[in-house]
Amino acid sequence: DARVTQTPRHKVTEMGQEVTMRCQPILGHNTVFWYRQTMMQGLELLAYFRNRAPLDDSGMPKDRFSAEMPDATLATLKIQPSEPRDSAVYFCASEGGVVPYEQYFGPGTRLTVT
Amino acid sequence: QKEVEQNSGPLSVPEGAIASLNCTYSDRGSQSFFWYRQYSGKSPELIMFIYSNGDKEDGRFTAQLNKASQYVSLLIRDSQPSDSATYLCAVGRDDKIIFGKGTRLHILP
Repeated sequence: DARVTQTPRHKVTEMGQEVTMRCQPILGHNTVFWYRQTMMQGLELLAYFRNRAPLDDSGMPKDRFSAEMPDATLATLKIQPSEPRDSAVYFCASEGGVVPYEQYFGPGTRLTVT
Repeated sequence: QKEVEQNSGPLSVPEGAIASLNCTYSDRGSQSFFWYRQYSGKSPELIMFIYSNGDKEDGRFTAQLNKASQYVSLLIRDSQPSDSATYLCAVGRDDKIIFGKGTRLHILP
C-alpha cells in the first residue's frame, strides 16, 4: 500500500557530525513537509516543497539545516554541524490526495545527538 | 497567544464513556480543521477533518466546529482502551497545517 518512507529510523551521532535524513513521499503526491517533534515544542514545521520547489523554510535554523528535493521521489534534510539540541523525532509528510491539507506522515527518524 | 491551543492532559475517561477533546485557534482566516491521533512512538494519523460549522460524524468519532468561537472539538463515543493516544488538533491555512501540542487521552479499562 502507498505510504511515506523515511530513513534511517534511528540515528545516534556525536555533536558536530553531519546528519542526513531521507524521505520518499507517496507516489503522485506533490507537496512534502518536514517536521520536528519534541516534548517541549510539539510538532514544528521546518520546511516544505511543492512540485520540488521550496515554498517555506522559515522554521529551520538556516545556519545548520538544509532541505532539498533532488527529484519527485526523494526529499532530504541535512544538519551540519549537529548539536545536542537537535535531538528530536523528524517526520516527513506528503500531501496531494483528494482532501486539501490532508497529510500522510512517515514513520519518523529519531535523532539523538550526544 | 499560541496559534492552536489544547489542554495537554492527561484526560482519563472510563471505558465505554464519551471522551471530549477541545482545541482553540487564533487565526480567523483558518480554513480547515483536523484531528490526528498519535500512538506513543508512532507517527500522527489523520482521523477526522472538518471545514464547515457544525458536526461531522464518522463511526464513533464526531468533530465539531464553531468558527465564531474559534473552537474545534472531537468526541469519541464508547471509548475503548485502543483509543488511548495523544490527539493533535491541527488548523490549515496558507498551504500548511499548524499543529497544537496535543492532548493525551487515557481510557481506563
